[in-house]
Amino acid sequence: DQQVKQNSPSLSVQEGRISILNCDYTNSMFDYFLWYKKYPAEGPTFLISISSIKDKNEDGRFTVFLNKSAKHLSLHIVPSQPGDSAVYFCAASEGTGNQFYFGTGTSLTVIP
Amino acid sequence: KAGVTQTPRYLIKTRGQQVTLSCSPISGHRSVSWYQQTPGQGLQFLFEYFSETQRNKGNFPGRFSGRQFSNSRSEMNVSTLELGDSALYLCASSSTVDGYTFGSGTRLTVV
Repeated sequence: DQQVKQNSPSLSVQEGRISILNCDYTNSMFDYFLWYKKYPAEGPTFLISISSIKDKNEDGRFTVFLNKSAKHLSLHIVPSQPGDSAVYFCAASEGTGNQFYFGTGTSLTVIP
Repeated sequence: KAGVTQTPRYLIKTRGQQVTLSCSPISGHRSVSWYQQTPGQGLQFLFEYFSETQRNKGNFPGRFSGRQFSNSRSEMNVSTLELGDSALYLCASSSTVDGYTFGSGTRLTVV
């Protein structure tokens, strides 16, 4: 049973526009969330995290929003750049240091 | 600080064979987790080792096993390989300070 879901397998965005990647989870005990970015032939790299005590976390062009009541989080990339083209995975866990559950990933293509 | 090292990078095996994959974590990291990535399935958790003990296990058949050594290096073994085992196998090491860091993975192809 997939506890973390990314319902959009792919997304295409024009360079300079906003990219919004969505993620839903089913386990209300999840309280720590991360986004990873993966290029082909490389392992995922950490992008940004958020804990359930916050509803927003920003790091440069990347902002993650958390809606606990809807069990939904989203990653906003503004402005999108061609180098952002990659597969993005969201992940969730109960606290830090515990097993992470990953979504199926969304492949983002930023068109120059 | 060196990253997570996985060997080999690529592997081709025949159905029925067994395979062992290796993961060397970041120095000082005691936790090692293994994931299987296949198209459409995302990253599926296999198991996690901490201080040589399996701490968590995902929903994979018993053909998938692992172990961790005293230096925190970990190995994953898959016996009686099936075509469906073809995937990218990722290892991640973690600490409470540094969080999760992935290796580049081992691409296993079963023919």
